[in-house]
Amino acid sequence: KAGVTQTPRYLIKTRGQQVTLSCSPISGHRSVSWYQQTPGQGLQFLFEYFSETQRNKGNFPGRFSGRQFSNSRSEMNVSTLELGDSALYLCASSSQAGVNSGNTIYFGEGSWLTVV
Amino acid sequence: GENVEQHPSTLSVQEGDSAVIKCTYSDSASNYFPWYKQELGKRPQLIIDIRSNVGEKKDQRIAVTLNKTAKHFSLHITETQPEDSAVYFCAAGKTSYDKVIFGPGTSLSVIP
Repeated sequence: KAGVTQTPRYLIKTRGQQVTLSCSPISGHRSVSWYQQTPGQGLQFLFEYFSETQRNKGNFPGRFSGRQFSNSRSEMNVSTLELGDSALYLCASSSQAGVNSGNTIYFGEGSWLTVV
Repeated sequence: GENVEQHPSTLSVQEGDSAVIKCTYSDSASNYFPWYKQELGKRPQLIIDIRSNVGEKKDQRIAVTLNKTAKHFSLHITETQPEDSAVYFCAAGKTSYDKVIFGPGTSLSVIP
């Protein structure tokens, strides 16, 4: 079974631009979460999607948005990029097969975003 | 809001010694507590998890304990090896699914 796949792996953007990151979850997984990882800040929760609906949202400004498609693939978008948005963006998927199945999340390799 | 604290932020141990990382959580409804290991330049990977109906779980050299009353849970690594060197993250969530909140991480160095 293929793991969580994220594209692109590395990208450099200029302040003020926007960026779209893509995530393909593990086959059969319907829940996709996004996290921002910066040195010293750990893993900050951005949002989570399930069946094309955003179920949970972290404390990030409205410049950060996401969506999920019917095939469970997800994208996140950051508009009006700031230098502080430079980070590793991690996507994670979970099966959410039922209440007692737990919610183990599996991470992708991440997308390294550098804003200059 | 929900919060997970983790201590210590850095930990150095001699090879063969034990390492203990402690976490506390704020949401008393949390009932799922995974631990992730992230090696340099790699993705976080699940190493062990525990649910609230269990007080302790062991997997070879790794064990987790949970005290729901105090809202504490801990990771214990025995007989540490250099390959255990990594950043470890604790997390708290719910099996009925809510967002999984991560602690800030502990950088573990095992000195040969």
